[in-house]
Amino acid sequence: GESVGLHLPTLSVQEGDNSIINCAYSNSASDYFIWYKQESGKGPQFIIDIRSNMDKRQGQRVTVLLNKTVKHLSLQIAATQPGDSAVYFCAENGDNNNDMRFGAGTRLTVKP
Amino acid sequence: NAGVTQTPKFQVLKTGQSMTLQCAQDMNHNSMYWYRQDPGMGLRLIYYSASEGTTDKGEVPNGYNVSRLNKREFSLRLESAAPSQTSVYFCASTSYWVRTEAFFGQGTRLTVV
Repeated sequence: GESVGLHLPTLSVQEGDNSIINCAYSNSASDYFIWYKQESGKGPQFIIDIRSNMDKRQGQRVTVLLNKTVKHLSLQIAATQPGDSAVYFCAENGDNNNDMRFGAGTRLTVKP
Repeated sequence: NAGVTQTPKFQVLKTGQSMTLQCAQDMNHNSMYWYRQDPGMGLRLIYYSASEGTTDKGEVPNGYNVSRLNKREFSLRLESAAPSQTSVYFCASTSYWVRTEAFFGQGTRLTVV
């Protein structure tokens, strides 16, 4: 079946650098794409979402880009900090907009 | 305002035993979800409830049953636990108006031996 997936399982960056986390999706019918952050021992936390009719959305230090042509989603984190170390998941709202399905996750490690 | 509360936090079961994982939210959310998280597999949707009185299967419903007891509570039952159900289980909820922002509980770590 169609699903959300990730390019890389791990990413290591230097503190202060920008981070880019990628995600591939296959369900063109999804209305929203979402990024979540999960710290060790905790449940995921919402970061930012983007509607399927948008290309870019910015939040505080984060930007999400959506490329519908190649079905690709990315999360950019500016000036990465040690507190950004976590696993990041992309997710999509399903066809009926009532279920939310997640990709496998990327572990981001920020080196001091 | 506690958000989403799951009980228990940890549980060890023997193969064939049954148990119910409890979840309650105090945000007046319409939709509730159960996910399981295995290492390297991300979160997989087991069941969801779009509103009180309705439940639907997700990606991996086999071996589980759910009950949306009322608007606040959504329970997950394992009738006959199997080692393959060893996982961390998360409950989540979303409001009717903001369906992309799910609020998650702290998780239940279940081990089936």
